[in-house]
Amino acid sequence: DAGVTQSPTHLIKTRGQQVTLRCSPKSGHDTVSWYQQALGQGPQFIFQYYEEEERQRGNFPDRFSGHQFPNYSSELNVNALLLGDSALYLCASSSSTSGRRGETQYFGPGTRLLVL
Amino acid sequence: QQPVQSPQAVILREGEDAVINCSSSKALYSVHWYRQKHGEAPVFLMILLKGGEQKGHDKISASFNEKKQQSSLYLTASQLSYSGTYFCGTEAASYGKLTFGQGTILTVHP
Repeated sequence: DAGVTQSPTHLIKTRGQQVTLRCSPKSGHDTVSWYQQALGQGPQFIFQYYEEEERQRGNFPDRFSGHQFPNYSSELNVNALLLGDSALYLCASSSSTSGRRGETQYFGPGTRLLVL
Repeated sequence: QQPVQSPQAVILREGEDAVINCSSSKALYSVHWYRQKHGEAPVFLMILLKGGEQKGHDKISASFNEKKQQSSLYLTASQLSYSGTYFCGTEAASYGKLTFGQGTILTVHP
């Protein structure tokens, strides 16, 4: 049973560029959440996608956008990159079939983004 | 608002016990515990739900005080593999949005 996968594993960009990160959820999961983890910090919630729509959003600017596809995979797009966007970007998948809160989120290995 | 974890760091010898605490100022629906090793993804350990339900690994225990909005993770008879950074993630009113603490660094020595 494949877990959560993310690509690419590492990425180097320069300020002002745009980046797209990809995530495939664990088999049987339909919900994808994205988190940003700066060095030495806990993950920070960016947004969550369910049924191809953004269901929740954290305190991140509009430069951060996403998409969920019919097969439940997801993309995170960041425009106009800043030095402060350098971080580990984590994708977590969960199942919303129970329709309640308290669902376990399983994390992927992450994409490490460096902005120069 | 970010939950507060304590202690920030703890050093143990193999076989010793440890408790990690997580405190929130918000009314919580659930508390999720993860362990993250350097350069790796957070690994799910346990979830505690409002009302007392728990889901997680057999060798790890935790508690959730709903009145105080506090959770504690109990690590007994620690092993070298327990080393890592432990995070609590709290779920309040917003469905599925986890807010993580700053982490507790646990180091286990032989």
